[in-house]
Amino acid sequence: KQEVTQIPAALSVPEGENLVLNCSFTDSAIYNLQWFRQDPGKGLTSLLLIQSSQREQTSGRLNASLDKSSGRSTLYIAASQPGDSATYLCAVSLSGGSQGNLIFGKGTKLSVKP
Amino acid sequence: DAGVTQSPTHLIKTRGQQVTLRCSPISGHKSVSWYQQVLGQGPQFIFQYYEKEERGRGNFPDRFSARQFPNYSSELNVNALLLGDSALYLCASSRGPLGTDTQYFGPGTRLTVL
Repeated sequence: KQEVTQIPAALSVPEGENLVLNCSFTDSAIYNLQWFRQDPGKGLTSLLLIQSSQREQTSGRLNASLDKSSGRSTLYIAASQPGDSATYLCAVSLSGGSQGNLIFGKGTKLSVKP
Repeated sequence: DAGVTQSPTHLIKTRGQQVTLRCSPISGHKSVSWYQQVLGQGPQFIFQYYEKEERGRGNFPDRFSARQFPNYSSELNVNALLLGDSALYLCASSRGPLGTDTQYFGPGTRLTVL
């Protein structure tokens, strides 16, 4: 059974700091891994999607890496800003089978202090 | 293009009642998935529908049911509501049903059961 774990559960940093969020998964048979942002009480905003054949994806100040063999992904946020405060979720999509449901971690709650 | 839409935004019900949540996918998307997100947890997969047929079901009791209409919109029904059903219900749409298809999430419906 695929399990996704995110560490740390919460993180507080001062504005301007670079930071790394971690995601691990137990089964390496994935199609892709996606990082989402969720503001309190809101839906999910997709940040980056990494296909299983890729090693990393970048968008602006965000960089996500994937090491499928070790079951790990990291989300790197450069020069953090108060507006980055949110919960960050990672999710994997399983390969094989006929459905595409996502399996999520519990998220990392990020607080960036001005 | 409009994103995934969900209605209602918020809903308050009492134990034992029944509720229907609605979702309209992005134009051209034929797959709809439903997720339940309890406070402090990551979303949990409930159902996936593609071309009006159920393609996947998560570990939820039979009180949960769903359907997809010819226009690809979807309804999630929950009968005999329990306090533990209080959650944010998220709908996601994708072009196809597989793990290779990127899922786009709606804003969610916040259900409170009293």
